[in-house]
Amino acid sequence: AAGVIQSPRHLIKEKRETATLKCYPIPRHDTVYWYQQGPGQDPQFLISFYEKMQSDKGSIPDRFSAQQFSDYHSELNMSSLELGDSALYFCASSLQGVQPQHFGDGTRLSIL
Amino acid sequence: AQTVTQSQPEMSVQEAETVTLSCTYDTSESDYYLFWYKQPPSRQMILVIRQEAYKQQNATENRFSVNFQKAAKSFSLKISDSQLGDAAMYFCAYEDFGNEKLTFGTGTRLTIIP
Repeated sequence: AAGVIQSPRHLIKEKRETATLKCYPIPRHDTVYWYQQGPGQDPQFLISFYEKMQSDKGSIPDRFSAQQFSDYHSELNMSSLELGDSALYFCASSLQGVQPQHFGDGTRLSIL
Repeated sequence: AQTVTQSQPEMSVQEAETVTLSCTYDTSESDYYLFWYKQPPSRQMILVIRQEAYKQQNATENRFSVNFQKAAKSFSLKISDSQLGDAAMYFCAYEDFGNEKLTFGTGTRLTIIP
């Protein structure tokens, strides 16, 4: 069965650079979630989208923005990167109201 | 805000034995979901088991079962016949009905002793 696809798998950036992470949900899933997992920490909810509209917002820095496109894929845009942004970024998808969320394999972002 | 607490940072169990991981949560809601996720060294997030709060019957998935005590806000995971492949970080997670973001506990690292 098709799973959630995230790209790239690994990304290395320097401070103050920008990064774009992509997420392709499971076909027919209409809801996308982004989570950030710092080293040795639990995943923290960043933001979610339902039918291309932002549905909820968590602890997402103002330097980050995200959107969901007409084909339901989503992109997380990160600017003015800081060392503390180094983390594993997960995308998950679901069909609204249907559990559970299905996670992608994550994008590991390293800031030098 | 909802909180999830896992009080056991690390646990270990002999292969083929049974182990129980603890999780408590705090919420004022009556309808919600609870999950256990497994994160092996590959860092994938793998759903192990889920429980709907309105269901009194404890969920079971093969060797994995839960003890859901709604009044006590407790949600423990029992792994029977532990296998080497069960070694991972286990996260307990909470989700409000109708508000679908997951709130995770801090995790329990499970080691399987051969």
